[in-house]
Amino acid sequence: DGGITQSPKYLFRKEGQNVTLSCEQNLNHDAMYWYRQDPGQGLRLIYYSQIVNDFQKGDIAEGYSVSREKKESFPLTVTSAQKNPTAFYLCASTSSGSPYNEQFFGPGTRLTVL
Amino acid sequence: AQSVTQLDSHVSVSEGTPVLLRCNYSSSYSPSLFWYVQHPNKGLQLLLKYTSAATLVKGINGFEAEFKKSETSFHLTKPSAHMSDAAEYFCVVSDDSGTYKYIFGTGTRLKVLA
Repeated sequence: DGGITQSPKYLFRKEGQNVTLSCEQNLNHDAMYWYRQDPGQGLRLIYYSQIVNDFQKGDIAEGYSVSREKKESFPLTVTSAQKNPTAFYLCASTSSGSPYNEQFFGPGTRLTVL
Repeated sequence: AQSVTQLDSHVSVSEGTPVLLRCNYSSSYSPSLFWYVQHPNKGLQLLLKYTSAATLVKGINGFEAEFKKSETSFHLTKPSAHMSDAAEYFCVVSDDSGTYKYIFGTGTRLKVLA
């Protein structure tokens, strides 16, 4: 079955630690996205990538970093510079070329700072 | 700049009664519009999308939405609510100016009363 996987499902971070969230897709999609979800705020775009080895900052990129070395993988690192990282993180992908293409979402990772 | 406004943060309906979730958009171009559903601690699932082929769009689980350009609206409806419809719903517009970004509404939480 084609889809998007995110791991881990739950992640706990101590103050000052960097953590990396995994996102893998086997849909052969060109574009991938990372969103942060907080209660009552909808989804906010952190980073997105339209092709391998290229990515752009979204609306809330500070304290986060990404890489896109392979088409199917788009890991997100939450650095110690992110002051309030506790949130639900969602990865998504879409095939490029048309704004009519819907996004496909992974099941999410819930990050909690201890 | 494109934007989307979900007019109600919470909606409560009784089981078996109609559902109406309201969404207004702002777009300089011909918009691409989507409705997604999210159950607690899960990823988002596409309900339906508007691709300019027809103004009345039918989706999964009995949901449909009507695109009204004159009112800049894309409201989601269902004739009869089921307990399993209780979830959060997001209206989304895609940025068709070439960035392949998606703009999310803040969400509407639907509660279905027995």
